[in-house]
Amino acid sequence: AQSVTQLDSQVPVFEEAPVELRCNYSSSVSVYLFWYVQYPNQGLQLLLKYLSGSTLVESINGFEAEFNKSQTSFHLRKPSVHISDTAEYFCAVSEAIAGGTSYGKLTFGQGTILTVHP
Amino acid sequence: SAVISQKPSRDICQRGTSLTIQCQVDSQVTMMFWYRQQPGQSLTLIATANQGSEATYESGFVIDKFPISRPNLTFSTLTVSNMSPEDSSIYLCSVGTSGGAGAQYFGAGTRLSVL
Repeated sequence: AQSVTQLDSQVPVFEEAPVELRCNYSSSVSVYLFWYVQYPNQGLQLLLKYLSGSTLVESINGFEAEFNKSQTSFHLRKPSVHISDTAEYFCAVSEAIAGGTSYGKLTFGQGTILTVHP
Repeated sequence: SAVISQKPSRDICQRGTSLTIQCQVDSQVTMMFWYRQQPGQSLTLIATANQGSEATYESGFVIDKFPISRPNLTFSTLTVSNMSPEDSSIYLCSVGTSGGAGAQYFGAGTRLSVL
């Protein structure tokens, strides 16, 4: 079984400041890692994912996350945030099995509410 | 990615009644999932619904309370039966990507309030 811990329930930050949302996971097997974003009153949107290869993954809107296997972490970062980044961010894992597939079951962290102030 | 439509988007129901939530995908997918997001909390997987087989329920969720149908590769329903106020949540449908590489795409969710 897997578990995910998001270390900060709320992160307030000023516009154009850098931000890091922390995520640690626990698993006895290899995993795939994801960050999802949920804007107010909307569903979840996939922000970025790590499946294999380069440990640094990027999204189209300037976020990046780095997979650190030794520290079992997948922290999300952005060098300069915008008001529009205000949302709740969820870190999630799924079990990776042979052949590059998975059972598809996602385990989510508790979420981090990012609030960007002008 | 897939486009996922959920209906209804929200509903207010009386206790003891049932509500069926529909999930429609614009492409054929093998794996579909139903999640619950209780107020202020994270998402919890209710069940996995694969076409042609019975849904697989997670611990704490039972078929009598949350019956699921998966008649084809683009559609699924979740019914919340005999509702109580504790069932007030957001219910989300998601689909697994081809190749099963773990990434899932979510519908906008159904916001359910039970009085």
